[in-house]
Amino acid sequence: GENVEQHPSTLSVQEGDSAVIKCTYSDSASNYFPWYKQELGKRPQLIIDIRSNVGEKKDQRIAVTLNKTAKHFSLHITETQPEDSAVYFCAASSGSARQLTFGSGTQLTVLP
Amino acid sequence: KAGVTQTPRYLIKTRGQQVTLSCSPISGHRSVSWYQQTPGQGLQFLFEYFSETQRNKGNFPGRFSGRQFSNSRSEMNVSTLELGDSALYLCASSEPGLTYEQYFGPGTRLTVT
Repeated sequence: GENVEQHPSTLSVQEGDSAVIKCTYSDSASNYFPWYKQELGKRPQLIIDIRSNVGEKKDQRIAVTLNKTAKHFSLHITETQPEDSAVYFCAASSGSARQLTFGSGTQLTVLP
Repeated sequence: KAGVTQTPRYLIKTRGQQVTLSCSPISGHRSVSWYQQTPGQGLQFLFEYFSETQRNKGNFPGRFSGRQFSNSRSEMNVSTLELGDSALYLCASSEPGLTYEQYFGPGTRLTVT
């Protein structure tokens, strides 16, 4: 089955700096890669996703890149703000099967 | 549209008991997936239902089961509860077809004592 590895497990950045979180996946059949943000005590919130036919996608301060050959994808957050502090999860699936395999999560702390 | 709702939000059960959790998807969403979230194992897929049929199943014992009703609401059941079943149980709904986005409910926090 699919295996998703996520690094780093914790990340601290100064407000205004950029943050990058990386994930690798094992199943070449995976074609859908979402990122979720989970604040303490809250539900995971979908913040951005990318499909395998696209190399990069951007939404304001958030971008995701995908390298299918190397089987890795990354989340980039620019101009970080304290409200970006949360746990971020990457995931992978062969999209038509709504079966997400999640990475282990990254605790992002933005220091004011 | 209203978001995904789950009931109850919190539950305390004793080892050996069984429990039923409920999930109401976003209106129009016909796929419901269930996940277990624990500090040790992270987020793990349990199963997915679409049009009242289980389409996919994760690597969990048969004590974990589910069903979906004609209005797309879903329930999951855990029988013979074990201490290790203590977790946040999340459901997620998605539209049918080529939109793969899954939207999560607030979860049910199950504590087994």
